[in-house]
Amino acid sequence: KNEVEQSPQNLTAQEGEFITINCSYSVGISALHWLQQHPGGGIVSLFMLSSGKKKHGRLIATINIQEKHSSLHITASHPRDSAVYICAASLTGTASKLTFGTGTRLQVTL
Amino acid sequence: NAGVTQTPKFRVLKTGQSMTLLCAQDMNHEYMYWYRQDPGMGLRLIHYSVGEGTTAKGEVPDGYNVSRLKKQNFLLGLESAAPSQTSVYFCASRRTGGFEQYFGPGTRLTVT
Repeated sequence: KNEVEQSPQNLTAQEGEFITINCSYSVGISALHWLQQHPGGGIVSLFMLSSGKKKHGRLIATINIQEKHSSLHITASHPRDSAVYICAASLTGTASKLTFGTGTRLQVTL
Repeated sequence: NAGVTQTPKFRVLKTGQSMTLLCAQDMNHEYMYWYRQDPGMGLRLIHYSVGEGTTAKGEVPDGYNVSRLKKQNFLLGLESAAPSQTSVYFCASRRTGGFEQYFGPGTRLTVT
């Protein structure tokens, strides 16, 4: 069993829909990251959070430490949001090495 | 700033050949990482470095070697390539005290 699990693996939405991607982890972490991988392959960091909630534009990330669960929400989705979204955990005591989920492939259609 | 760059972008090798992938960063970051990405699997750490002259093994180090002779460069070597090393390789860097990793554009390697 992976230490970081994401769901769903694939997601198709229509433009304007509210999207939620989930991430669960089974070990102690110092931080939880959300990254975006563009269709061309480049990876960028979206959020790093250790508690609560963060918002950037139409993206919102939340984390519940007690439940070992994080969510990434996209409001008013747009075709340019189509990408793979990756959850990664900085495990406690691992010199900030990241353990990655397998990613959620999102396609937003018109 | 160029950020994190990787050379080459694409490469095809025959089984048994050797090659070196170069990662360079201009952000003066101490930490550098090499990952591989395979279909259906998350990014997996191959080797990493916490500073110039240091390297350490990650999750999947077998078949790879690394060197960090200069702070800005992190080299990943394949001494005798195998088809199982067909993958997309990503380099990343991070500053001391920071959590965010900055990724290079990736190198797509095919071993036939």
